[in-house]
Amino acid sequence: QQQVKQSPQSLIVQKGGISIINCAYENTAFDYFPWYQQFPGKGPALLIAIRPDVSEKKEGRFTISFNKSAKQFSLHIMDSQPGDSATYFCAASGGATNKLIFGTGTLLAVQP
Amino acid sequence: DAGVTQSPTHLIKTRGQHVTLRCSPISGHKSVSWYQQVLGQGPQFIFQYYEKEERGRGNFPDRFSARQFPNYSSELNVNALLLGDSALYLCASSPDRRGSPLHFGNGTRLTVT
Repeated sequence: QQQVKQSPQSLIVQKGGISIINCAYENTAFDYFPWYQQFPGKGPALLIAIRPDVSEKKEGRFTISFNKSAKQFSLHIMDSQPGDSATYFCAASGGATNKLIFGTGTLLAVQP
Repeated sequence: DAGVTQSPTHLIKTRGQHVTLRCSPISGHKSVSWYQQVLGQGPQFIFQYYEKEERGRGNFPDRFSARQFPNYSSELNVNALLLGDSALYLCASSPDRRGSPLHFGNGTRLTVT
């Protein structure tokens, strides 16, 4: 019940296209769902996050869609750029601590 | 503003040795968490400390220990190192115990030979 399942494992998108990464969870106690971007040799950087009381959140080219009944959430990167090429992790947390359960990651390559 | 800083950036140790990793949180952040990231996987939670007390512990053996100091910096200690402990160790800080975003440092790359 503590798992967060992420797909796809890798993704190739053309410059200007839309990148979509999906995650699913089982623990209904989760109440915070962030997405992190990680470049090689760096730590994860917080991109955008959502709570279950909203179905969508947009920040610039990044949008989270959240489906509480299906226990799924996804990251959409609009107008994908080569600089977006990185590994993306979804995560979830809930309860008395900030403990994050991470997905397995998606390696995104945006081709010029 | 300085982000989360970790030291050292790289470390090579031999099996059986012990290691101490250090973390300075963002100014004003009272919570520090430690994560282990094995190559090709997502980070795995090790510990959370808040106001100098352990608030959460992941599924790691007792060889792993940590502490938080009055200035909110933290140390992660690993004893009797195994080859499988080779990983990127990440520190994250947040203002509160829960409900606030985690900000990660760039990690310490530990190699055990």
